[in-house]
Amino acid sequence: EADIYQTPRYLVIGTGKKITLECSQTMGHDKMYWYQQDPGMELHLIHYSYGVNSTEKGDLSSESTVSRIRTEHFPLTLESARPSHTSQYLCASSESAVVGELFFGEGSRLTVL
Amino acid sequence: QKEVEQNSGPLSVPEGAIASLNCTYSDRVSQSFFWYRQYSGKSPELIMSIYSNGDKEDGRFTAQLNKASQYVSLLIRDSQPSDSATYLCVGLSKGAGSYQLTFGKGTKLSVIP
Repeated sequence: EADIYQTPRYLVIGTGKKITLECSQTMGHDKMYWYQQDPGMELHLIHYSYGVNSTEKGDLSSESTVSRIRTEHFPLTLESARPSHTSQYLCASSESAVVGELFFGEGSRLTVL
Repeated sequence: QKEVEQNSGPLSVPEGAIASLNCTYSDRVSQSFFWYRQYSGKSPELIMSIYSNGDKEDGRFTAQLNKASQYVSLLIRDSQPSDSATYLCVGLSKGAGSYQLTFGKGTKLSVIP
């Protein structure tokens, strides 16, 4: 079983609020990722990190930001939530040597009213 | 052509039958391929990876890769109702200095008891 945790699992919030989705893994993986998935649609990469103090934007434009101050922790922040941010956010990690073999957290389902 | 293309289904098979899930890919995605299973409301989990032409077997699952035809498939033998899920085909490509994963939309499999 993968040791990667996301909180909150579900969040309903009003427009304009600041939110942070937490993601932590205990596997010592260097690589961490944030994906966005809408129902019935493919996963889209929004941010990734290959190590501490390293973050990059993915192929899907996003107004969110991330940080990687510790290996195990990769939080995602939205400064001002909008209804268009309503989605499922999935955090994942992988070993450096095994690109493509991702371990996913249980996801954070965000609803912005 | 989309980089990784799957028939969204649903694909219905009777319990005990062989389920065949297919995926085609474009020239840009050519390194390695992965099959993830995603139960409804859950996160994806890796079930098979295949790195070279030919077949790879793991229990009831067989992954097949044909690079000449740009075709990847997943066979599930002796299908069980617990195999009912969406199966995501994922391709790995190498860009400028980094690897990139491309997810298909997934094929929904329903195994009928």
